[in-house]
Amino acid sequence: AQSVAQPEDQVNVAEGNPLTVKCTYSVSGNPYLFWYVQYPNRGLQFLLKYITGDNLVKGSYGFEAEFNKSQTSFHLKKPSALVSDSALYFCAVYSYNFNKFYFGSGTKLNVKP
Amino acid sequence: NAGVTQTPKFQVLKTGQSMTLQCAQDMNHNSMYWYRQDPGMGLRLIYYSASEGTTDKGEVPNGYNVSRLNKREFSLRLESAAPSQTSVYFCASIPREERGGNEQFFGPGTRLTVL
Repeated sequence: AQSVAQPEDQVNVAEGNPLTVKCTYSVSGNPYLFWYVQYPNRGLQFLLKYITGDNLVKGSYGFEAEFNKSQTSFHLKKPSALVSDSALYFCAVYSYNFNKFYFGSGTKLNVKP
Repeated sequence: NAGVTQTPKFQVLKTGQSMTLQCAQDMNHNSMYWYRQDPGMGLRLIYYSASEGTTDKGEVPNGYNVSRLNKREFSLRLESAAPSQTSVYFCASIPREERGGNEQFFGPGTRLTVL
C-alpha cells in the first residue's frame, strides 16, 4: 500500500532556531514530493516540490527540503524559525503509477517567541 | 483570478439530509479533486476527475457522488448524510493534463457538521 508518514504530530521550536519537519514515504516508482502549509481555517498552500535534479530544493518563505532516495525521506527545513511559521504542515507524494496524491497526517509546528 | 472557490463555507445537516458541495476553478485546470480532512488523518481523497467528463473513486468514496459539470466545476453530493461525514472538505485542481510535477491548488474548504 502507498503511504506517507509524518512521525511527529507536533514540533516545538524557539524563534530563531532551525526547524525540521520530517516526512518519509512508501510509494512505488519515482514519486514527486511536495510540502504544503495550512494556516487556521484556510486551505492548503504550496511550499515547495521535488521532481528531479538537486536533492535540496528551496521554496517559499525561506523553507527548503532535502530529498533522500535511499531513506525515502523528504524533510522540510528552515534555518531560522519565525513565530509566523506556526501552522500545520503536510507532506504529499504524487504517484505517477496511480495518478494520485498521497498525504501525510500533518505536523503542527509551534514556534515560540 | 479567484482561484479555487467552494460553497458553502459552513453547513450543518441532520442525519439523512442531502446536500451538494460546490467547487469551481477559473484557472483552466484539467484535473480536480475532492478531499476530506479529519484530525490526525491528513487529507483523504474522496473522488477525482482527470478531465471533463471523467470521474474516479479515491480512497473513501462511500456515501458520496460527484459530477464534473464542465471544465470549471466539480461538485460533491451527499445523498444521505451521516455523522461520520462530519469533516472539512477541500476541493483542489491541477493545471495541466500531463501527470505529475504540478502542485495542487486548494480551495478554502467547507466545514460540514452532521448531527
